Amino acid sequence: DQQVKQNSPSLSVQEGRISILNCDYTNSMFDYFLWYKKYPAEGPTFLISISSIKDKNEDGRFTVFLNKSAKHLSLHIVPSQPGDSAVYFCAASSYRGNTGKLIFGQGTTLQVKP
Amino acid sequence: DAGVIQSPRHEVTEMGQEVTLRCKPISGHNSLFWYRQTMMRGLELLIYFNNNVPIDDSGMPEDRFSAKMPNASFSTLKIQPSEPRDSAVYFCASSFPATGAHEQYFGPGTRLTVT
Repeated sequence: DQQVKQNSPSLSVQEGRISILNCDYTNSMFDYFLWYKKYPAEGPTFLISISSIKDKNEDGRFTVFLNKSAKHLSLHIVPSQPGDSAVYFCAASSYRGNTGKLIFGQGTTLQVKP
Repeated sequence: DAGVIQSPRHEVTEMGQEVTLRCKPISGHNSLFWYRQTMMRGLELLIYFNNNVPIDDSGMPEDRFSAKMPNASFSTLKIQPSEPRDSAVYFCASSFPATGAHEQYFGPGTRLTVT
């Protein structure tokens, strides 16, 4: 039972254009969502997060949108740069229990072409 | 801060041998997580500790896998005996969820190859 799903294994965009990565979740108990970026031979690094009390969070070129009714979140990167080429994971958590356990999606490989 | 430290970075061993992976979390973090990444299963949580106590080990694939956290600054993941299907990248991560922030910080990983 995969509670967090990233249905697109890969995405290719042109430099300067917008990259949109999508993520769906099934567990309505999730109330905190995160995006991680991973380069080859490195560990995932935290990118941006959003609490369920918000529907949008922005940090520079990165914006995460949350649609609770659809149980869907997306990461927008504008403008995309070649250095953004990496695997992106979305993750979900619940404040209940306060242990910080994250459930990760399968990842989407983003390629930004110069 | 040096971040999460994992050792070794690479491990090549023969089937049947014991393998021990090590992790030093970020100082002050009280939750520690062990993950395994494979092409087939993606990033899967094996076990996590809170205040040095194992909270959930339901992701540990078999009894061949065991993990310990003897103190707040050190954890091990042991595989004995190792099998070729254990070949993967193993990540350790730490966090401090009591602050309400659930961001986990990952180490660089250990690439394990079992021949």
